[in-house]
Amino acid sequence: NAGVTQTPKFQVLKTGQSMTLQCAQDMNHNSMYWYRQDPGMGLRLIYYSASEGTTDKGEVPNGYNVSRLNKREFSLRLESAAPSQTSVYFCASSGFSDRGNQPQHFGDGTRLSIL
Amino acid sequence: QKEVEQNSGPLSVPEGAIASLNCTYSDRGSQSFFWYRQYSGKSPELIMFIYSNGDKEDGRFTAQLNKASQYVSLLIRDSQPSDSATYLCAVKNAGGTSYGKLTFGQGTILTVHP
Repeated sequence: NAGVTQTPKFQVLKTGQSMTLQCAQDMNHNSMYWYRQDPGMGLRLIYYSASEGTTDKGEVPNGYNVSRLNKREFSLRLESAAPSQTSVYFCASSGFSDRGNQPQHFGDGTRLSIL
Repeated sequence: QKEVEQNSGPLSVPEGAIASLNCTYSDRGSQSFFWYRQYSGKSPELIMFIYSNGDKEDGRFTAQLNKASQYVSLLIRDSQPSDSATYLCAVKNAGGTSYGKLTFGQGTILTVHP
């Protein structure tokens, strides 16, 4: 049972380059999320997708775009990478019950360095 | 004021002691509360969630919620060196939304020494 799978695990980019971080979940969850984690800042929400076909901005969306490709996949794109985007990126997903969204489950993360 | 605040660490306790981790939140309408454990270099792992006032126990872990005081805590009994990690408090935002957007605290580093 893979859960939430992120690729790549590590990446080094030069300033101005673009790249896409991939995320896929096999738990049939409706909602998916992208976070970044910086030292002392905790987890900050970049974008989320409440369900297939919808996406919304989170706390720190500038410099990023997302695509909810289908129910399983949610990608994060950096169009023109900047050193300030050096971070660890986590994808998460959650299901839904009569109590609302269930707890989020996280992927292993992508460690991204921008030079 | 941060929406979710955790007690500043790092917190150091001896093996076998009770570790107490605290979290306060500003949104009075928040309904769901989660504790995640994150080992260094790893992803957050859910260990407890609580929806109702009072205590919820799971093995050595007890989550406590007091909505009137806007306070949630995590107690770890018989602390083990393997409990050494960063503990993240997360609160589900209120406001009628159903997609479970969470706000995380900055985390508390716990060290359990032999």
